[in-house]
Amino acid sequence: GNSVTQMEGPVTLSEEAFLTINCTYTATGYPSLFWYVQYPGEGLQLLLKATKADDKGSNKGFEATYRKETTSFHLEKGSVQVSDSAVYFCALKGGNNDMRFGAGTRLTVKP
Amino acid sequence: EAQVTQNPRYLITVTGKKLTVTCSQNMNHEYMSWYRQDPGLGLRQIYYSMNVEVTDKGDVPEGYKVSRKEKRNFPLILESPSPNQTSLYFCASRKPGLANTGELFFGEGSRLTVL
Repeated sequence: GNSVTQMEGPVTLSEEAFLTINCTYTATGYPSLFWYVQYPGEGLQLLLKATKADDKGSNKGFEATYRKETTSFHLEKGSVQVSDSAVYFCALKGGNNDMRFGAGTRLTVKP
Repeated sequence: EAQVTQNPRYLITVTGKKLTVTCSQNMNHEYMSWYRQDPGLGLRQIYYSMNVEVTDKGDVPEGYKVSRKEKRNFPLILESPSPNQTSLYFCASRKPGLANTGELFFGEGSRLTVL
């Protein structure tokens, strides 16, 4: 079945550091890929998405590129802020609308 | 404001005492779903509903029941809670048909502790 594997956390960075959170997937067909963010005490909210190979999703300075050849969708940000501290989830939607989530990566950004 | 509302947000209960977590959405979404979030396991789907009176099991349905009598409501029922159901629960909904981009809209979560 479809699955998502993302790098284990927690990740701790200083403000303005570069962020990469790795995500790889296993899927049949042509899935859509998502990054969700969960701020403390809140539900998940969509951060960005990509629906086909080579698409780049971007939002709030975050980016991720759908790489079919490496089955990856790594999340990047050039300069993180304290307000980016949250848990980040990589997710996949298969052809039957089945949504699979990774285990989540907790990011803490220190001033 | 478009939202998914869950209640209660926090609950401590004892083994075997039936409880219901309510979920309501005001976006006229047909699809609704329940997830549980556990450390290191991410979100796992419990049950989902494609529309009124249509429900189906997700990956971890054991010990849970759901009903979908109205489009806006999708309650999660624990008939006889056990400690392994201690978790953070999320309700989510999704736009229907051609408007469905895959994005899920989540409630704020319900933290359940079963002693």
